[in-house]
Amino acid sequence: GIQVEQSPPDLILQEGANSTLRCNFSDSVNNLQWFHQNPWGQLINLFYIPSGTKQNGRLSATTVATERYSLLYISSSQTTDSGVYFCAVCETGANNLFFGTGTRLTVIP
Amino acid sequence: EPEVTQTPSHQVTQMGQEVILRCVPISNHLYFYWYRQILGQKVEFLVSFYNNEISEKSEIFDDQFSVERPDGSNFTLKIRSTKLEDSAMYFCASDRGRETQYFGPGTRLLVL
Repeated sequence: GIQVEQSPPDLILQEGANSTLRCNFSDSVNNLQWFHQNPWGQLINLFYIPSGTKQNGRLSATTVATERYSLLYISSSQTTDSGVYFCAVCETGANNLFFGTGTRLTVIP
Repeated sequence: EPEVTQTPSHQVTQMGQEVILRCVPISNHLYFYWYRQILGQKVEFLVSFYNNEISEKSEIFDDQFSVERPDGSNFTLKIRSTKLEDSAMYFCASDRGRETQYFGPGTRLLVL
């Protein structure tokens, strides 16, 4: 199956700092989503972004499908941004999502 | 905004017992999924369901698992004889196909 790698595995930031999370995948995809898993375990949709760039407030994401990677940018981080960020992809021709191992973000005041 | 709902939020069961996890997908969605996440690990796909039948399943989804859409709104996951290693968070998801998959809040299952 498709391989999804995320980096870094752990990230600690001072409140107000910016960060970039990376997701590499091993094959062509027809879906790529970024999620934030909050401390209660809920998976919150951030972006559906199989290609191109999107922005939502302090968050933005870019996927370069031809080079098989996606980036999630978090600007002016807040303590509520803490949690695990997952990238998940669908292989072309499939519907189910394959998840990466996540980046655990801790924002300290 | 419509959302996927799941019940119960938590379930504790004894090894060997049957459990049924329930989900109500978003009403105009066509594809339904179950995923699980063992504590501290990544989310893993179990099964997808379309047009009243299983469309894809993973190696995890063995004979002790089954899914059903008993009516027009509910989507269930049954584990026939639970094992300790079935302890996990189980997520239901739905979409309209080739679009954003929306996840429910999860059911945390603990097998003792």
